[in-house]
Amino acid sequence: SYVLTQPPSLSVAPGQTARITCGGDNIGSRYVHWYQQKPGQAPVVVVYDNSDRPSGIPERLSGSNSGNTATLTITRVEAGDEADYYCQLWDSRSDPPGWVFGGGTKLTVL
Amino acid sequence: EVQLVQSGAEVKKPGESVKISCKTSGYTFSNYWIAWVRQMPGKGLEWLGVVYPHDSDTRYCPSFQGQVTISAAKSSATAYLQWNSLKASDTAIYYCAKGGFLIRGAFLAWGQGTLVTVSS
Repeated sequence: SYVLTQPPSLSVAPGQTARITCGGDNIGSRYVHWYQQKPGQAPVVVVYDNSDRPSGIPERLSGSNSGNTATLTITRVEAGDEADYYCQLWDSRSDPPGWVFGGGTKLTVL
Repeated sequence: EVQLVQSGAEVKKPGESVKISCKTSGYTFSNYWIAWVRQMPGKGLEWLGVVYPHDSDTRYCPSFQGQVTISAAKSSATAYLQWNSLKASDTAIYYCAKGGFLIRGAFLAWGQGTLVTVSS
């Protein structure tokens, strides 16, 4: 089955840029979605279809996907960005096909 | 406004059954996939399965096939997740989420989660 690999944690100072990676075999050929989950809350989609943002998500959050790595980039990091972030895709090539989540990355704002 | 409202927390004993619900509103229920996602204490997100209410097409993650049953009632725009025989390892928060018109669509809206606790 398809595996998505994320770093377990990332620490960034306020105002700096956070880049959260999601590795997978030829992931650039797939549609990747990203979710933010704050403690005690349900996940919220922040980027879908590699780089689209739902309404209400600030432009500081952006996504890209190429080769074997998808990346969620958060510029001008704020305290409110501290959360767990998960990448996800629909694996249509496995048998049976199904959804795959990365293990999650805990973003800490120093 | 799209809303998914889940049923309340459950406390059960091993071997008991339970059915939790996810009532939706604000969109055409039949036309979008509904997913169920598990989050065990302190852990990440795991996909259990999805259902397409229009024709009840249901897909399960192999790890959960035979362990849970996912269904949808078009008349009440409600999706369900049920267990016939719970185990302590089923203790987790369970989320429902609205998927896309296509099965690969992102989960654009989520329920608030239902905590299921299984303990003797």
